[in-house]
Amino acid sequence: KQEVTQIPAALSVPEGENLVLNCSFTDSAIYNLQWFRQDPGKGLTSLLLIQSSQREQTSGRLNASLDKSSGRSTLYIAASQPGDSATYLCAASGTYKYIFGTGTRLKVLA
Amino acid sequence: GAVVSQHPSWVICKSGTSVKIECRSLDFQATTMFWYRQFPKQSLMLMATSNEGSKATYEQGVEKDKFLINHASLTLSTLTVTSAHPEDSSFYICSARDWGRVENTGELFFGEGSRLTVL
Repeated sequence: KQEVTQIPAALSVPEGENLVLNCSFTDSAIYNLQWFRQDPGKGLTSLLLIQSSQREQTSGRLNASLDKSSGRSTLYIAASQPGDSATYLCAASGTYKYIFGTGTRLKVLA
Repeated sequence: GAVVSQHPSWVICKSGTSVKIECRSLDFQATTMFWYRQFPKQSLMLMATSNEGSKATYEQGVEKDKFLINHASLTLSTLTVTSAHPEDSSFYICSARDWGRVENTGELFFGEGSRLTVL
């Protein structure tokens, strides 16, 4: 049974700092891994998707990496801004369904 | 990205009534949609997988008679919370995977969520 864990659970950083969010999964037989952002009381916004054959994906200030052998993915946020404050969720997918991590609540201080 | 629309975004109902939540894929066809439930400050828990034209697949511990799912078309799935009670109050989110793209990544897209409050 796939289990997904995210560390840290919460993070508070000053504006401009580069930061790394971690995601671990127990079953390396994944189809893809996806990172999402969730603002309070809102749905989820897809940030990056990494297919199992890929090592990383980049979008603007965001870079996500995937290491299937170690069961890890990281989301790197460069030059953080107050608008980045949200909960970040990773989800590991088989061909059928996604299992979500516990989330990291990020607060970027102005 | 693909668009998934959910309605209503919030609903308040009395205990014992039933509430229906709709999930639509606006610009792609979804043979499968997923319904999640999220409690405050917790992650998403998969409730069931909605399959177009057939019965939904429920996760362990989810009451199928309490949470009725219907997937009548390739763009619409509905979740009905029957005889709602205060403990059913939660944030319900639907999602769908868009397999129709050239890249065929099966990327997952989410609706905006529906906040249910049962008095």
